[in-house]
Amino acid sequence: AQRVTQPEKLLSVFKGAPVELKCNYSYSGSPELFWYVQYSRQRLQLLLRHISRESIKGFTADLNKGETSFHLKKPFAQEEDSAMYYCALSVSGGSYIPTFGRGTSLIVHP
Amino acid sequence: KAGVTQTPRYLIKTRGQQVTLSCSPISGHRSVSWYQQTPGQGLQFLFEYFSETQRNKGNFPGRFSGRQFSNSRSEMNVSTLELGDSALYLCASSLTGGPNEQFFGPGTRLTVL
Repeated sequence: AQRVTQPEKLLSVFKGAPVELKCNYSYSGSPELFWYVQYSRQRLQLLLRHISRESIKGFTADLNKGETSFHLKKPFAQEEDSAMYYCALSVSGGSYIPTFGRGTSLIVHP
Repeated sequence: KAGVTQTPRYLIKTRGQQVTLSCSPISGHRSVSWYQQTPGQGLQFLFEYFSETQRNKGNFPGRFSGRQFSNSRSEMNVSTLELGDSALYLCASSLTGGPNEQFFGPGTRLTVL
């Protein structure tokens, strides 16, 4: 069975500080990993997926199969990054049936 | 382009009743997925419909069902409601399914008393 763990319910940083939102997963096959974001009073939206290898809004995430992790990183946090972040996993190459982590609330203080 | 809409936005039911939630996707989108979000279990995938056929299904009991119409609008039905069904139900639409270009609705908040 697939499992996604986001160990931090809340992460609080100051503007300009680096931020890392942790995501660990367990899955015996080849996973596809995603990060979703939900800003206050806005809808849930996809932030990035590991196969895209993109940087979105300054965020990057690298899939580390050895450590079964997909941490989300940004070198300099901005106040507008404050949001709820969800990590999700699906089977690679198969149907999109995501398993989500419980989410991490990121608060960036001015 | 109008976004994904869900009706009703709020709903209160009692145990044992059934409920139907509606989702209208973005025009042209053929895939509609449903999710349940609760404080206890977090965000969980219910099922996906594509061109009127259920294409994928999460791990939920048979009390949870859905359908999709020819105009891609989708309904989700929960029968014999239980207290634990209280949740925010989200739907998301996309052109072909999968996470890319997937747009979420605002959700329907269901409270079961």
